[in-house]
Amino acid sequence: DAKTTQPTSMDCAEGRAANLPCNHSTISGNEYVYWYRQIHSQGPQYIIHGLKNNETNEMASLIITEDRKSSTLILPHATLRDTAVYYCIVYNAGNNRKLIWGLGTSLAVNP
Amino acid sequence: DVKVTQSSRYLVKRTGEKVFLECVQDMDHENMFWYRQDPGLGLRLIYFSYDVKMKEKGDIPEGYSVSREKKERFSLILESASTNQTSMYLCASSSYTGGVQPQHFGDGTRLSIL
Repeated sequence: DAKTTQPTSMDCAEGRAANLPCNHSTISGNEYVYWYRQIHSQGPQYIIHGLKNNETNEMASLIITEDRKSSTLILPHATLRDTAVYYCIVYNAGNNRKLIWGLGTSLAVNP
Repeated sequence: DVKVTQSSRYLVKRTGEKVFLECVQDMDHENMFWYRQDPGLGLRLIYFSYDVKMKEKGDIPEGYSVSREKKERFSLILESASTNQTSMYLCASSSYTGGVQPQHFGDGTRLSIL
């Protein structure tokens, strides 16, 4: 299974864009990039996923490099409620539907 | 919205007890999962099920069993609880349409074994 590398922690000012990087240099062609976040004392929450193209939804944007070896999750206007641990996961749909979780990035949004 | 409900937010049990953790989802999802989450170790998959009465071992099944008698309900059983099973337990569900549907999580059960 492809592994991911994320910074342990990041800070962001409220109202600014938060850009969370993820490296997945061993990703293979049929593996998707998923992003989840976990707010303190809650279960993980799905944010977005993509295969090759950039994706956007009401929560965030996902930018995947052309070689697919890295990606960036963008929260366009971070709020205090976006303070959470963000997980980048490479998912192989054929791998018994298992997600392989790392330790994520702890994002602190500051007033 | 998908709702995954875990029966308890906090639970305290004693070593040797048989412990049942219950999870119910309301979206008719085929797949259901049980994870445990520990500081410094992240989420680890214990068991999952892709259909009623079907189960597959995850990465750390030892000391656990599961039951799925109905599609909406997935139970995790600690046959004889031990202190090293003190943890946060998370249940998730997903639909299976080509295998790329996201997992939806409950808010977890924080289990303490004394």
